[in-house]
Amino acid sequence: DMKVTQMPRYLIKRMGENVLLECGQDMSHETMYWYRQDPGLGLQLIYISYDVDSNSEGDIPKGYRVSRKKREHFSLILDSAKTNQTSVYFCASSLYQDTQYFGPGTRLLVL
Amino acid sequence: GDSVTQKQGQVTLSEDDFLFINCTYSTTTYPTLFWYVQYPGQGPQLLLKVTTANNKGISRGFEATYDKGTTSFHLQKASVQESDSAVYFCALVDRGTNTGKLTFGDGTVLTVKP
Repeated sequence: DMKVTQMPRYLIKRMGENVLLECGQDMSHETMYWYRQDPGLGLQLIYISYDVDSNSEGDIPKGYRVSRKKREHFSLILDSAKTNQTSVYFCASSLYQDTQYFGPGTRLLVL
Repeated sequence: GDSVTQKQGQVTLSEDDFLFINCTYSTTTYPTLFWYVQYPGQGPQLLLKVTTANNKGISRGFEATYDKGTTSFHLQKASVQESDSAVYFCALVDRGTNTGKLTFGDGTVLTVKP
């Protein structure tokens, strides 16, 4: 069963704290993505990873960094979280940059 | 850069009504086009996909036709059900740049009343 998982599903942090969002996939997809979704703005691409240690900035990378040390795992890190990073974060994966499969999302609230 | 426009932010229908969601796009090459559907509390999931090789996509009663002339990719369904209530996103991936980047429209919230 093809699946993208995200942990945690819900997270509350204080401004200035570090945040780690994790994503996993069991489809051996080489390409993975992080998006954020805000009301009325659709999905905005933060980072793309083309494979292990091969990452590229998306449209809104500022304030975020990523790590991919295994093909099946892709992490999004917020160093010193800001209140404007409150959002829903989605991870996705694809094979040869074709159809993207999305995880269930992580709802992050930064107070 | 690439862009996708969905002008209808909200659509409200009754069961068995005809659905039409407008989507137009702008890109410098021939893209692959997608419709994704997102149910509450879930991530987007693929509804249908159309490439330059096949101009029409059909899935679960939904249909979309790729019109290069008008750069449109409208979504249609003959008879909607309450279970179709969700947010629908039009999206494209630009094959020319080979980045895999998916550009989304802002989404259309469909509400189907019983």
